[in-house]
Amino acid sequence: GAGVSQTPSNKVTEKGKYVELRCDPISGHTALYWYRQSLGQGPEFLIYFQGTGAADDSGLPNDRFFAVRPEGSVSTLKIQRTERGDSAVYLCASSPQGGNQPQHFGDGTRLSIL
Amino acid sequence: AQSVTQLDSQVPVFEEAPVELRCNYSSSVSVYLFWYVQYPNQGLQLLLKYLSGSTLVKGINGFEAEFNKSQTSFHLRKPSVHISDTAEYFCAVVEIQGAQKLVFGQGTRLTINP
Repeated sequence: GAGVSQTPSNKVTEKGKYVELRCDPISGHTALYWYRQSLGQGPEFLIYFQGTGAADDSGLPNDRFFAVRPEGSVSTLKIQRTERGDSAVYLCASSPQGGNQPQHFGDGTRLSIL
Repeated sequence: AQSVTQLDSQVPVFEEAPVELRCNYSSSVSVYLFWYVQYPNQGLQLLLKYLSGSTLVKGINGFEAEFNKSQTSFHLRKPSVHISDTAEYFCAVVEIQGAQKLVFGQGTRLTINP
């Protein structure tokens, strides 16, 4: 079956611009997660959705970052006024309900801020 | 809060040799433990997980890991590696009750030499 799909796979933009990153989870998975992976590091948690609501957004670095999941499936991560330090691979994962159920990851969006 | 330490950033090994990738964690609450593998330009793929029961868990591609509660370790092993095992390996934990986010180590780059 289809896995987690992330688009675009690569995004290059200028400092100060607005970007949107999209995640299509595995069908039926109610839990959705966003992580950020900087070069040479492990992924770092950003935000977790259970259904349509953000159950934990404690990893968002500042108010330039925002994520939505209006219908409980597709999610969009939005970054305003991008900075060079936002350059990273943004990973999305989903799981059936969370907890002990493994998270299934997409291939990520590589974001480069010039 | 949890933290995960992968003691080796890089591990070079000859093909068909055994390998051990070390992982130690710190947590004030009980956790589940995972190992993920990341091939170049791809997302993370689950290798194995420890939830409860037998402390020796077997995963895909011939990998296994042993949970040691007293040493707070979860080392990954394979008795004979192949060129195709060249990848980045991440150890991760998640709280059994509470926050659903994975906390990752910094990763270990496994390089298999012929």
